[in-house]
Amino acid sequence: AQRVTQPEKLLSVFKGAPVELKCNYSYSGSPELFWYVQYSRQRLQLLLRHISRESIKGFTADLNKGETSFHLKKPFAQEEDSAMYYCALYGPAGRRALTFGSGTRLQVQP
Amino acid sequence: SQTIHQWPATLVQPVGSPLSLECTVEGTSNPNLYWYRQAAGRGLQLLFYSVGIGQISSEVPQNLSASRPQDRQFILSSKKLLLSDSGFYLCAWRSGAGTDTQYFGPGTRLTVL
Repeated sequence: AQRVTQPEKLLSVFKGAPVELKCNYSYSGSPELFWYVQYSRQRLQLLLRHISRESIKGFTADLNKGETSFHLKKPFAQEEDSAMYYCALYGPAGRRALTFGSGTRLQVQP
Repeated sequence: SQTIHQWPATLVQPVGSPLSLECTVEGTSNPNLYWYRQAAGRGLQLLFYSVGIGQISSEVPQNLSASRPQDRQFILSSKKLLLSDSGFYLCAWRSGAGTDTQYFGPGTRLTVL
């Protein structure tokens, strides 16, 4: 069965420091991976997806199939990045739903 | 544009009482619909999903049930609530046309006392 692991419950960094939120997955097949974010008092929303290979709000995530990882990175953290971040895996094909990790709370201190 | 609504926003219920949470989507047709529970320290757990009217898939055996009486309506129910049913319940939708992005509702905070 597919599984998503986010080993850190809380990550605290200072403004301007680099950020890396870890995500590892287990899945047989070609994974489709996502990062969702939930800011305080806002809805859970999509941040980025690996298929798009895009950078959103300065964040990037690279799929590493050898290490089965999809870590979220940002070179210089901002205070407004403070939020709950969830890594998610889509599939398998017959199950049209996302499997989420347990989430990592990012705190960016001034 | 598409919107998703959930109500109520908060609910406090005694143990053993029934439950009905409603989710509706506007601006799209034949969406895939989902119920998740968000528990502290445990992330989002998929409870049910539906690809069409009357079609419900259950992910986790539990005290809850789901129904989809209309194309854009998804209901989460229980006949008798347990203390362990407390949590934050999120409804989500995804286009049945192929995009993988799920869009989430504002959620319902349920406290069972």
